[in-house]
Amino acid sequence: NAGVTQNPKFQVLKTGQSMTLQCAQDMNHNSMYWYRQDPGMGLRLIYYSASEGTTDKGEVPNGYNVSRLNKREFSLRLESAAPSQTSVYFCASRSRSRGDTGELFFGEGSRLTVL
Amino acid sequence: AQKVTQAQTEISVVEKEDVTLDCVYETRDTTYYLFWYKQPPSGELVFLIRRNSFDEQNEISGRYSWNFQKSTSSFNFTITASQVVDSAVYFCALSGGGGTALIFGKGTTLSVSS
Repeated sequence: NAGVTQNPKFQVLKTGQSMTLQCAQDMNHNSMYWYRQDPGMGLRLIYYSASEGTTDKGEVPNGYNVSRLNKREFSLRLESAAPSQTSVYFCASRSRSRGDTGELFFGEGSRLTVL
Repeated sequence: AQKVTQAQTEISVVEKEDVTLDCVYETRDTTYYLFWYKQPPSGELVFLIRRNSFDEQNEISGRYSWNFQKSTSSFNFTITASQVVDSAVYFCALSGGGGTALIFGKGTTLSVSS
């Protein structure tokens, strides 16, 4: 009953280092998303993938890249981390069938600190 | 462009009080979906309700109720007889009919004291 799994849960980086946040879902969902959450800002969309093989920018894509590796996995990469990327990152997935759009299922979040 | 506004940043109530969390949205889509999520202090995001634009019926689930009014572009959430366990951040969200990503409001922090 895993749902959406994110790794790592916690990470501390130095400015300029790179890292990849991994996300996998086992619900056979087509769409996957990466959000970041900052105090007072709500959840802001970084990138999303409406289906396997496609990715699109969200509201705050600068400094990030994504890869939709297969239907299950959607990774988020920080090539050169900056202190402004200190945040909690959430991966989510969503089913879409017969024109209906369901709710987002979220992972537990990954807390990233950039020093 | 789509937008969700939760004007109440923080609300504090005493147990057993009723509380309403406001959500106002903007969209040009004729088909869209509205959502509420709860984020307790533990940090996970918990889905509460989804409503599509063609269904304006109000919904009640236990102590929770939702009032959807297209005329005022609002989707308000009421907790009746609040409890300490209701303390959380509550997010309202909107997505278009094409399965586009959810756009979230900035959230309302609800604190319920005993």
